[in-house]
Amino acid sequence: AQTVTQSQPEMSVQEAETVTLSCTYDTSESNYYLFWYKQPPSRQMILVIRQEAYKQQNATENRFSVNFQKAAKSFSLKISDSQLGDTAMYFCALRKAGNMLTFGGGTRLMVKP
Amino acid sequence: GAVVSQHPSWVICKSGTSVKIECRSLDFQATTMFWYRQFPKQSLMLMATSNEGSKATYEQGVEKDKFLINHASLTLSTLTVTSAHPEDSSFYICSAPPGTSGRHLWEQYFGPGTRLTVT
Repeated sequence: AQTVTQSQPEMSVQEAETVTLSCTYDTSESNYYLFWYKQPPSRQMILVIRQEAYKQQNATENRFSVNFQKAAKSFSLKISDSQLGDTAMYFCALRKAGNMLTFGGGTRLMVKP
Repeated sequence: GAVVSQHPSWVICKSGTSVKIECRSLDFQATTMFWYRQFPKQSLMLMATSNEGSKATYEQGVEKDKFLINHASLTLSTLTVTSAHPEDSSFYICSAPPGTSGRHLWEQYFGPGTRLTVT
């Protein structure tokens, strides 16, 4: 079985500052993908960033970057220059063969003006 | 990008009745679709994997006879909540990987979700 754990139920950050969301996981798979999804109040799941486990280089998408520590099974998300529109639930997810996603419990992020 | 739609977006039904939720892939064929359930302020929990032309695979603890899944075509999967009760009230989300050549292997597209309220 695979598990994904997000230890921060809620976080807040001032607009324009940087925040890091934590995620740890456990899997016996050797090849897998890790994702961060954003779920705004509309409830639509939006892909923020992905990381292939076989790649050592940390993924970056504009203001979003990850710190992928494979040996430690850690996959944190850093949001730089936080914007009000970043306010949402953030889910860390692990994809194994068969395309099934296992989600963490989520972190509610509030960006304050 | 690929789009997955769900219908209805919200539904209210009386206890004991059945309700059907549709999940459609609009511009790609989906041999597999996933159904998730999300309670308020909680994460998405996988309920079942819907396979076109074959029986769905249910996660442990999910009642097969209560949550009927049909995937009769490559663009449509349906989830029927039978004999619904208030505890079935939740947000139901479907997703589908494109699964065709030319697409990224990691892609998965989510529907906008269906809010079910059972009174």
